Amino acid sequence: DAGITQSPRHKVTETGTPVTLRCHQTENHRYMYWYRQDPGHGLRLIHYSYGVKDTDKGEVSDGYSVSRSKTEDFLLTLESATSSQTSVYFCATLGGYNADTQYFGPGTRLTVL
Amino acid sequence: QKEVEQNSGPLSVPEGAIASLNCTYSDRGSQSFFWYRQYSGKSPELIMFIYSNGDKEDGRFTAQLNKASQYVSLLIRDSQPSDSATYLCAVISFQKLVFGTGTRLLVSP
Repeated sequence: DAGITQSPRHKVTETGTPVTLRCHQTENHRYMYWYRQDPGHGLRLIHYSYGVKDTDKGEVSDGYSVSRSKTEDFLLTLESATSSQTSVYFCATLGGYNADTQYFGPGTRLTVL
Repeated sequence: QKEVEQNSGPLSVPEGAIASLNCTYSDRGSQSFFWYRQYSGKSPELIMFIYSNGDKEDGRFTAQLNKASQYVSLLIRDSQPSDSATYLCAVISFQKLVFGTGTRLLVSP
C-alpha cells in the first residue's frame, strides 16, 4: 500500500453517531476516491475528488459527505451512521488518466450496531 | 445497464491452463482500463493498465482492449493456484474510477 493510509483500520460505532474516516496519501495524486465493498456488490463509488475542494458524488452517496482541504487528505463522513453503512471502506488514488500509478488503501472495517 | 459488467463466476481452470477474464463497459468515452486482483480480506492490487487498442503483456498477464466493441479482457497464462482470487475490471468514466463486480477465479492443482 505504497504511500496511502487509512485511519482508523477498524471501528465499531452505534447507530446515529457521526463517523469520519481519513485517507492520507503521499503520492501527490490528483484524484482520490472512496468506495464501500459489500458481498455481492463489488466496489461501489461513494464520492470522489478531482482536486483540492473539488468533489462529486458517486453511485451510493446518500448519507455520506466528503472534504478535501489539501491534496494529501480525503475525509469521508457518515453524518448519522446506520446499520446499512456497515461495510469495508476503501480509499484509492489515481495519478492521472493515462498513468499506471493507482493505489488502494488497506481498508477500514466499519461496524454500526 | 451497469457501467462495467463482469461475469461473477467462479471461473475454474486447472493449473497450467490459460484463464480468460472478460469485461464490458458502457461509456464509449472511457479512456483508461484497469485490472485488479483481490484476495479475500485484502485490498485490490493493480496488475494491469491499458489505454490503447490491442494487447499489452506483462509476464504471465495479457490485457486486451477493443474500444469499438467496448470490451477489455485479461488472459493469465500458466495459471497457478496462487492466482485464485477475485479479478476486478475498472474503467475511468467522466473522472470516476468505476468497477465491475469482479470475477472469481479458481485454479485447481
